[in-house]
Amino acid sequence: AQSVTQLGSHVSVSEGALVLLRCNYSSSVPPYLFWYVQYPNQGLQLLLKYTTGATLVKGINGFEAEFKKSETSFHLTKPSAHMSDAAEYFCAVSDPPGGGADGLTFGKGTHLIIQP
Amino acid sequence: GAVVSQHPSRVICKSGTSVKIECRSLDFQATTMFWYRQFPKQSLMLMATSNEGSKATYEQGVEKDKFLINHASLTLSTLTVTSAHPEDSSFYICSARRGALTEAFFGQGTRLTVV
Repeated sequence: AQSVTQLGSHVSVSEGALVLLRCNYSSSVPPYLFWYVQYPNQGLQLLLKYTTGATLVKGINGFEAEFKKSETSFHLTKPSAHMSDAAEYFCAVSDPPGGGADGLTFGKGTHLIIQP
Repeated sequence: GAVVSQHPSRVICKSGTSVKIECRSLDFQATTMFWYRQFPKQSLMLMATSNEGSKATYEQGVEKDKFLINHASLTLSTLTVTSAHPEDSSFYICSARRGALTEAFFGQGTRLTVV
């Protein structure tokens, strides 16, 4: 069974500061990993994903994440926070094709607060 | 990217009635659609997976007779909440993908309130 742990239900950073949202996973097979952003009363928008290949993944809006197999982590970072980054962020994992489970398993989410 | 549209975005219904939520892939054919449920300030929980032309696969603990899923075409899946009760009030989100090797795109969600 897969699981995703996001450390910190709320993270507050100052505008212009580094954003670091933590995600650890457990999976019986090397997983696919995702970060999504959700604005209030809206669906999810994919920020970035890791499937295979380069472990440092760059996404939209200046976000990036690094897959570290030894640490079973996929932390999300952005060098300089912007007010528009305030939202809920979800880390998710899925089995690769043929690996079994189909849908995504989500973490509980981290609410990112940007202070002016 | 591909567009997935959900309708309605918000619905209020009386306890005991049924509500249908539509999920459409607007510019691609979706072989697989997923339905998720999200309680306030919580994560998304997968309810069921539906493949076009076959019965949906429900996650453990999800009542298939209460949450009816139909995936009759490659661009449309529906979720019907039957005999709705206040505890069914939630945010329901669908996602759709072309095939097993592709990304799933999410709809904008439907806020269901049962009064």
